Amino acid sequence: SQQGEEDPQALSIQEGENATMNCSYKTSINNLQWYRQNSGRGLVHLILIRSNEREKHSGRLRVTLDTSKKSSSLLITASRAADTASYFCATGGNQFYFGTGTSLTVIP
Amino acid sequence: GAVVSQHPSWVICKSGTSVKIECRSLDFQATTMFWYRQFPKQSLMLMATSNEGSKATYEQGVEKDKFLINHASLTLSTLTVTSAHPEDSSFYICSAPRRASGGGSYEQYFGPGTRLTVT
Repeated sequence: SQQGEEDPQALSIQEGENATMNCSYKTSINNLQWYRQNSGRGLVHLILIRSNEREKHSGRLRVTLDTSKKSSSLLITASRAADTASYFCATGGNQFYFGTGTSLTVIP
Repeated sequence: GAVVSQHPSWVICKSGTSVKIECRSLDFQATTMFWYRQFPKQSLMLMATSNEGSKATYEQGVEKDKFLINHASLTLSTLTVTSAHPEDSSFYICSAPRRASGGGSYEQYFGPGTRLTVT
């Protein structure tokens, strides 16, 4: 079963703009992870944020976590065409459940 | 570099045949591994948990006789799609958990996936 819900389901922006994706989940978590998947390819791990962390940065990525609202957001700044992909949040400890995903299209 | 591998990366088979997909953790041991299925433009659905030394645990709605899982060692799990049919065509991905640096929480490492096409 799926644990998380991403919103929006699809997002289209111009290159250089920022992209924000949100993820909501249902149960308590140890950590939350964001993944990218290019069309027809495997998953690429982007960032992990632990339940006791509120914000984390990695390059052009910024992730926030609000455990009281059971939600997380992924911000990609200064987007590039190469960022076009589907983005998933995933929650769990030893076992993992994925959200529904956001399809991001960055227009050159 | 990759820490979880899958083989094959793609396979085409005829309806009625069986296909085995391997998932290996390359530099760590995993007593559990997970198998997911992904339909085009959809999210990953957890199919089952592979347990080393015991039976796999299947998610609701997944046919255990259809998708046979064997966790042969601490670094290898296999998924066999038996008597495959066109509706079994999908992208199958495995993952293995490893404790994140500093201990405490687990981080999942995913294989690159296997694309199965049943004709």
